[in-house]
Amino acid sequence: AQSVTQPDIHITVSEGASLELRCNYSYGATPYLFWYVQSPGQGLQLLLKYFSGDTLVQGIKGFEAEFKRSQSSFNLRKPSVHWSDAAEYFCAVGVRNTGFQKLVFGTGTRLLVSP
Amino acid sequence: DAGVTQSPTHLIKTRGQQVTLRCSPKSGHDTVSWYQQALGQGPQFIFQYYEEEERQRGNFPDRFSGHQFPNYSSELNVNALLLGDSALYLCASSSYSSNQPQHFGDGTRLSIL
Repeated sequence: AQSVTQPDIHITVSEGASLELRCNYSYGATPYLFWYVQSPGQGLQLLLKYFSGDTLVQGIKGFEAEFKRSQSSFNLRKPSVHWSDAAEYFCAVGVRNTGFQKLVFGTGTRLLVSP
Repeated sequence: DAGVTQSPTHLIKTRGQQVTLRCSPKSGHDTVSWYQQALGQGPQFIFQYYEEEERQRGNFPDRFSGHQFPNYSSELNVNALLLGDSALYLCASSSYSSNQPQHFGDGTRLSIL
C-alpha cells in the first residue's frame, strides 16, 4: 500500500538558519510527489511538485526539494528560514488509478521558528 | 481568478444529525476531491468526483456520500454523525485533462457535540 512517512513531528529552527524536512514514501510506480504548507485554520498551499525529470525541484517562497529514488525520499529544504515560514508542512504522494489521482499524505511536520 | 471556495467555514452539529458541505472548484477545473483532516493528522482521502460520478473512494463508510453538479461544484454529505467525524473537511479541485496538482480550499471545520 502507498504511504508517506514524515519522521519529525516538530522541528524548531532559528530565524535565518537552514531547514530540512524529511519525507519518505512507499509507492510501487514512479511517484508524483508534493509538498504542501498549512497555516493555522487554513487550507493547503502547494509549495512544489515532482513529476519527472530534474530531481531537484524549485518551489515558491525559496523552498526546494530533492527526489532520491534510491532512498525513497523527497526532503524539503530552505537555506534561510523566515519567521513567516512557521506552519505545518505535509508531504504527499499522488496515487494514480484509471487516470484519476488521489493524494496520500504524511502526518505532517510542525515548524517553529525562534527569534 | 477565484480559487476553490468552501462553505460554510464552521459548523456545529450534534451526534446523529446529518450535514452537507459545499465546494466550488477553481475556474477551469472539472474534478473535485474531498479529504478529512482530523486534529493533528494529515488529510485522508474520502472520494473524488468527475463528470458527476464518483471515481475513487477511500476507506470511509457509506455514511459519507457526495454529489457533483453540472457546473462542477460538489457536496459532501455525512449522515448519522459521530463524535469522531469532528474534523476539517478539505475540498480540492483539479483538471482531469491536465497533469497539474490539486488546489485546496480553506476547508470547513465541523464540530460534533
